[in-house]
Amino acid sequence: GENVEQHPSTLSVQEGDSAVIKCTYSDSASNYFPWYKQELGKRPQLIIDIRSNVGEKKDQRIAVTLNKTAKHFSLHITETQPEDSAVYFCAASIGGNTPLVFGKGTRLSVIA
Amino acid sequence: GAVVSQHPSRVICKSGTSVKIECRSLDFQATTMFWYRQFPKQSLMLMATSNEGSKATYEQGVEKDKFLINHASLTLSTLTVTSAHPEDSSFYICSTPGQTNTGELFFGEGSRLTVL
Repeated sequence: GENVEQHPSTLSVQEGDSAVIKCTYSDSASNYFPWYKQELGKRPQLIIDIRSNVGEKKDQRIAVTLNKTAKHFSLHITETQPEDSAVYFCAASIGGNTPLVFGKGTRLSVIA
Repeated sequence: GAVVSQHPSRVICKSGTSVKIECRSLDFQATTMFWYRQFPKQSLMLMATSNEGSKATYEQGVEKDKFLINHASLTLSTLTVTSAHPEDSSFYICSTPGQTNTGELFFGEGSRLTVL
């Protein structure tokens, strides 16, 4: 089955700097790659996703890149703000009505 | 998107008792519901998949007799933790593909279970 690896497990950045989180996946059939932000005690919140027919997607300060050949995808947050502090999860699935497999998460701390 | 309502948000119970968690789809018919478990400071791990009108399929290592899943209607799926023990204390969260069939999942609010 699918295996998703996520790095780093913790990340501290100064406010205004960029943050990058990387994930790799094992199943070449996976074609849907979302990123979630989770605050303590809350459900995961979808912040951006990308599909295998696209190499990059951007939404304001957030961008995701996908390298299908290497089976890795990355989350980029620019101009970080303290409210970006949370745990971020990458995930992968083969799409349709199939479950997501999650990475282990990255705890991002943005220091003011 | 799809709206999934999950209750209770928090529950504390004594060891040996059973707890039922409900997930309701409010604006669509949820044919499929995925149940995840998240221990403190860990990731979301798939426990089981339920499909309306059929038996749930469980992931390896998840006891089907301990975690009873019922998906008797298109708007309600339940997870019952039977004979709960302290090691079952966790954050349980349901999710469904909704009607988009795009791979995106819609999550319930989650239920924090504490077993004393």
